[in-house]
Amino acid sequence: KAGVTQTPRYLIKTRGQQVTLSCSPISGHRSVSWYQQTPGQGLQFLFEYFSETQRNKGNFPGRFSGRQFSNSRSEMNVSTLELGDSALYLCASSTSGGYNEQFFGPGTRLTVL
Amino acid sequence: GDSVTQMEGPVTLSEEAFLTINCTYTATGYPSLFWYVQYPGEGLQLLLKATKADDKGSNKGFEATYRKETTSFHLEKGSVQVSDSAVYFCALSRGNEKLTFGTGTRLTIIP
Repeated sequence: KAGVTQTPRYLIKTRGQQVTLSCSPISGHRSVSWYQQTPGQGLQFLFEYFSETQRNKGNFPGRFSGRQFSNSRSEMNVSTLELGDSALYLCASSTSGGYNEQFFGPGTRLTVL
Repeated sequence: GDSVTQMEGPVTLSEEAFLTINCTYTATGYPSLFWYVQYPGEGLQLLLKATKADDKGSNKGFEATYRKETTSFHLEKGSVQVSDSAVYFCALSRGNEKLTFGTGTRLTIIP
């Protein structure tokens, strides 16, 4: 069974630009969560989608948004990039939520110059 | 709010040494507790989990016991190997898909 895939793996943008990251969950998984990992703040929860609906949201500004498609693939978008948005963005999928194991992708490394 | 406090790293041990990484948590109700491991250049992998008090999670020689009385979930391994070198994260979830992570502990095993 293929794992969680994220594209692109690396991205370089400049301040003020916007970026879209993609996540394809494991086949059959309907929940997709996004996390931001930085050296200073560690791993922080961004949001979670289940069956195309945002079910949970972390404490990030509105510049961070996401969506989920009918095939469970998910995208997250960051508008008006700031230097502090440089991070590893991790996507995780699970079958239906709750205490089910979350499977993580390798992440997208975003660098904002 | 929920929080997880992990032992500060980095931790350096010799091969075959005993490992303990401390983890304590603050949360309402009865969270599930997890240990994740991150190898260089990779995402996180679930190492073990426990969903109720006194449960012991175990995998690949690693163990952790859910202690509600001390709100702890310490990770242990009796004999570490070079291949165990990675960053270890303690985390909790209250069943709503959001994982709250500790800061991570970098472990280096020297031959």
